[in-house]
Amino acid sequence: NAGVMQNPRHLVRRRGQEARLRCSPMKGHSHVYWYRQLPEEGLKFMVYLQKENIIDESGMPKERFSAEFPKEGPSILRIQQVVRGDSAAYFCASSPRTGADEQFFGPGTRLTVL
Amino acid sequence: AQSVSQHNHHVILSEAASLELGCNYSYGGTVNLFWYVQYPGQHLQLLLKYFSGDPLVKGIKGFEAEFIKSKFSFNLRKPSVQWSDTAEYFCAVNAGSAFGNEKLTFGTGTRLTIIP
Repeated sequence: NAGVMQNPRHLVRRRGQEARLRCSPMKGHSHVYWYRQLPEEGLKFMVYLQKENIIDESGMPKERFSAEFPKEGPSILRIQQVVRGDSAAYFCASSPRTGADEQFFGPGTRLTVL
Repeated sequence: AQSVSQHNHHVILSEAASLELGCNYSYGGTVNLFWYVQYPGQHLQLLLKYFSGDPLVKGIKGFEAEFIKSKFSFNLRKPSVQWSDTAEYFCAVNAGSAFGNEKLTFGTGTRLTIIP
């Protein structure tokens, strides 16, 4: 039973480019969370999605960041016009249903902006 | 808003020593509490969790944690550490809503190094 998959594991972008991070939840999971870990900091919540719906985006920066979780396919976290401050590890987690008590984490995508 | 404090940023112990990592949270309502571990090069894994009931929770690999509501604390303990416990440990909380699916608020983590 495959766990949460994230790709790419490492992504290098130049300032001004776009970054697309993908997350495939565990089989049967319909809830996805994105977290960001800046150097020397803990994980910070960004957004919570269910299939085709954004439930809570209170942690998302107001500009340049967007997320989706379509009916088919992985969840995508998109960062437009990246800046050096976007360099971080981005983690995705999934859970199976409302009332579930654990979030299962993926290995993360390390984004480096040159 | 919720917040989590882990005061020990880096702990170094010898094998067989006892471990206690501090975690304090700030939140006015019912909370669920978690400890996650991240071994070098790996993703976060759940060590243990507390939702309700017995405040002394036992997790995997010999870890346990005690929820002390009056102190807003959820400290992680292990009586005798091993070299393989070298990792980063994160305390996390979320609101104890009826739906259960709430965002996690993490502490900044404690890096544990075990010397053989």
